[in-house]
Amino acid sequence: EDQVTQSPEALRLQEGESSSLNCSYTVSGLRGLFWYRQDPGKGPEFLFTLYSAGEEKEKERLKATLTKKESFLHITAPKPEDSATYLCAVRSIYGGATNKLIFGTGTLLAVQP
Amino acid sequence: DSGVTQTPKHLITATGQRVTLRCSPRSGDLSVYWYQQSLDQGLQFLIQYYNGEERAKGNILERFSAQQFPDLHSELNLSSLELGDSALYFCASSPQDDRGDNEQFFGPGTRLTVL
Repeated sequence: EDQVTQSPEALRLQEGESSSLNCSYTVSGLRGLFWYRQDPGKGPEFLFTLYSAGEEKEKERLKATLTKKESFLHITAPKPEDSATYLCAVRSIYGGATNKLIFGTGTLLAVQP
Repeated sequence: DSGVTQTPKHLITATGQRVTLRCSPRSGDLSVYWYQQSLDQGLQFLIQYYNGEERAKGNILERFSAQQFPDLHSELNLSSLELGDSALYFCASSPQDDRGDNEQFFGPGTRLTVL
C-alpha cells in the first residue's frame, strides 16, 4: 500500500536557524512527489513537484530534494512567516485514471523571532 | 489565491441532515478532486471528476456523492450526517487528467461542523 510518513511531527526553530523536514514514502512507482504549505484554516498551497531521484527545486528559503525513498525540505535561515504545516504527497504511476495524491500528516513548523 | 473557490466557508448542521458543498475550479481546469481533512487522519482523497465524468473514488462513504456540471463546477453532497463527518473539506483542481505535470491547486475549504 502506498504510504507517506513525515517527520518530525512538529519543529520549533529560532529565526535564522536552518533545518530540514523529512518525507519518507513507499509507493509502487513514483509519478511525482509534491510539497505543499498549509496555514491554519486554509487550503494547501502548492510549493514543489519532484519527479526523479537527484532532482532539486528551490523557492526563496526553501529547497526540496528527492531520493528513491525520501524527500527533504530544507529551510535556510527561516523567518517567522515560514511558520506553517508542510505537507508531502505522492502520486503513483499505477494510479490508473486518477491523479489522486496520498498525503502525509505534515510537519508543523514554528519559527520564533 | 489559488483561483479555486469553495462555498460556503463554514457550515454548521445537525446529525442526520444533508448538506451540499460547492467548488468552482480554476479557469481552464478540467479535473476536480475532493479531499477530507480531519485532525486525526490528515488529508484523505474522496473522489475525482474529469470534464463531467467520475474518474476515481477514494475513501468516500456511500452517504457521500458528488457530481461535476457542464460548467465544470462541482458539488459534494453529504447526507445522513454523523458527528464524525465534522472536518475540513477541500476541493482541488488541475488542468489535465493522466498526463504531464499535474499539480493540484486547492481551494480555501469548507469547515463542516455536525452537532
